[in-house]
Amino acid sequence: DTEVTQTPKHLVMGMTNKKSLKCEQHMGHRAMYWYKQKAKKPPELMFVYSYEKLSINESVPSRFSPECPNSSLLNLHLHALQPEDSALYLCASSQDPDRGGPQHFGDGTRLSIL
Amino acid sequence: QKEVEQNSGPLSVPEGAIASLNCTYSDRGSQSFFWYRQYSGKSPELIMSIYSNGDKEDGRFTAQLNKASQYVSLLIRDSQPSDSATYLCAVNEGRFSGGYNKLIFGAGTRLAVHP
Repeated sequence: DTEVTQTPKHLVMGMTNKKSLKCEQHMGHRAMYWYKQKAKKPPELMFVYSYEKLSINESVPSRFSPECPNSSLLNLHLHALQPEDSALYLCASSQDPDRGGPQHFGDGTRLSIL
Repeated sequence: QKEVEQNSGPLSVPEGAIASLNCTYSDRGSQSFFWYRQYSGKSPELIMSIYSNGDKEDGRFTAQLNKASQYVSLLIRDSQPSDSATYLCAVNEGRFSGGYNKLIFGAGTRLAVHP
């Protein structure tokens, strides 16, 4: 079990659906991250939130829309996804955005696009 | 382009042996270095952090850092079949101003420990 909780664990959706991935941490961390990971590849950074503000968007297509309602929650809204978006989506958090501390990952959401 | 290089493996070692995993990085400004273990189908799990030159030991794991050579390694003593996983080297991008903390990941080394 990890201290970063992601829901749902699995999600199957059609290309016209709208769904959301959720991430929650109660460690008081002030930076939160979304990553995408394909099989046999390292995690690929998508978004970084620092102090609840979007700091980095790694040129992610607009069909992915992040949201940080408060310092403990991070959402990823999905709309009109493509089959190539099928992957493991990982949320992570770190204590201080201005220091180089470790990132702690949740268990991930395995997303399949039909 | 900032890079982290790892041998993809597989690295095959017998049970009880020492497994040695290596990583080089390109950004001389990097200050923080991490090793993550990832089992197939699972998420990465932090196993070691190292910030200064030298060795850091935690149980069966030893991380080694040489900033002059831009080299990080992980030694696993008394390797067990349960250590079979992909090991990801991750290096902080060498600046923290602007309020973000970005990790650059290597491609990972697959370790197989056989009985």
